[in-house]
Amino acid sequence: QVQLQESGPGLVKPSETLSLTCTVSGYSISSDYSWGWVRQPPGKGLEWIGSMYHSGSTRYSASLKSRVTMSVDTPKNQFSLMLSYVTAADTAVYYCARQYYSGSAWYHFDYWGQGTLVTVSS
Amino acid sequence: EIVMTQSPATLSVSPGERVTLSCRASRSVSNNLAWCQQKPGQAPRLLIYRASTRATGIPARFSGSGSGTEFTLTISSLQSEDLAVYYCQQYDDWPLTFGGGTKVEIK
Repeated sequence: QVQLQESGPGLVKPSETLSLTCTVSGYSISSDYSWGWVRQPPGKGLEWIGSMYHSGSTRYSASLKSRVTMSVDTPKNQFSLMLSYVTAADTAVYYCARQYYSGSAWYHFDYWGQGTLVTVSS
Repeated sequence: EIVMTQSPATLSVSPGERVTLSCRASRSVSNNLAWCQQKPGQAPRLLIYRASTRATGIPARFSGSGSGTEFTLTISSLQSEDLAVYYCQQYDDWPLTFGGGTKVEIK
């Protein structure tokens, strides 16, 4: 059974860096899937942040690209998100998800973590 | 960026009724479209991918159709546990984009 679990601070100060980790169980992060982050501001819809393959290939949302870094820790079977210079607009539930990947093409998200609320406030 | 537009925003339906949700893409996404379901307080769950393929464990009352720019999610007979917001999402091109969602309420 594939499971994903987000972890990280629930409160981040404005202008600081948001840092989250997604721990994957039941599947090797270095196998043929990619991994992504999606966020959801309170009461609003879903916004894709970025996706990465374990080889290091990444794709980021253009609106967040200058502030986002994703990385993978294969021995720990984890991947991470860093979002710098946060503002109140970055307050959201952050989800990590597994993304089907085949033949260098990226597809749908098939497993999601439960999500973690990150609030940006001083 | 491909804009995904869902309609209606909210739908109130009685149990047992047939439900049809629409999703339109601003340009063709071929069949590179997924539907997910988000129940209150929960994470999204994949229902349909490749426009019409049910994900593992998804009941047969959920079906997807369409290609290009017009897509439909149908629930053949609404159950009370289907109370949720339904999102379409395209993965044909970057950035990946979601529709604004359709909230299904139970009458």
